[in-house]
Amino acid sequence: KQEVTQIPAALSVPEGENLVLNCSFTDSAIYNLQWFRQDHGKGLTSLLLIQSSQREQTSGRLNASLDKSSGRSTLYIAASQPGDSATYLCAVRPRDDKIIFGKGTRLHILP
Amino acid sequence: DAGVIQSPRHEVTEMGQEVTLRCKPISGHDYLFWYRQTMMRGLELLIYFNNNVPIDDSGMPEDRFSAKMPNASFSTLKIQPSEPRDSAVYFCASGSGGWLVSNYGYTFGSGTRLTVV
Repeated sequence: KQEVTQIPAALSVPEGENLVLNCSFTDSAIYNLQWFRQDHGKGLTSLLLIQSSQREQTSGRLNASLDKSSGRSTLYIAASQPGDSATYLCAVRPRDDKIIFGKGTRLHILP
Repeated sequence: DAGVIQSPRHEVTEMGQEVTLRCKPISGHDYLFWYRQTMMRGLELLIYFNNNVPIDDSGMPEDRFSAKMPNASFSTLKIQPSEPRDSAVYFCASGSGGWLVSNYGYTFGSGTRLTVV
């Protein structure tokens, strides 16, 4: 059974720092992995999608990597800003299409 | 495209009442998912459809929950009778499959916040 784990559950860092969020999954047979952002009380916004054949994707200050063999993904945020404060969720799409989410990392950027 | 549209945004109802949540997926998407989010359990997949057909409803908590997708542009999630423990945010998401399934992610609606008192 596919399980997705995100560590840490919460993170506070000063503005301007670079940071890394971690995601691990137990079954490497996936189609893709997606990182989402969820603001408090809001829906989910897709940030980056990494196909199973890819190793990383970049969008602005965000960079996501994927290592299928070890069941790991990281989301790197450069030069963090207070507006980056949100919960970041990792989700994998396994072969049965039942996309599975981690519980997320609550990020707080200190001004 | 207006994205995935859910209604209502908020619903407050009394225990025992029937609740119907609605979702309009993105046009052309052939997958539709219903999720429930709570602080304790995070995001849980309830049921998903492919080409309007329910594929897996193993996440539906009990018989009080039912979901339908009468056509490609509309789905409902019904709770009858509702209970306080059903209080949560319910999300609908849609996505594409096909040969290049690895290319496609999912798009979420803004959710329906359900409170059962």
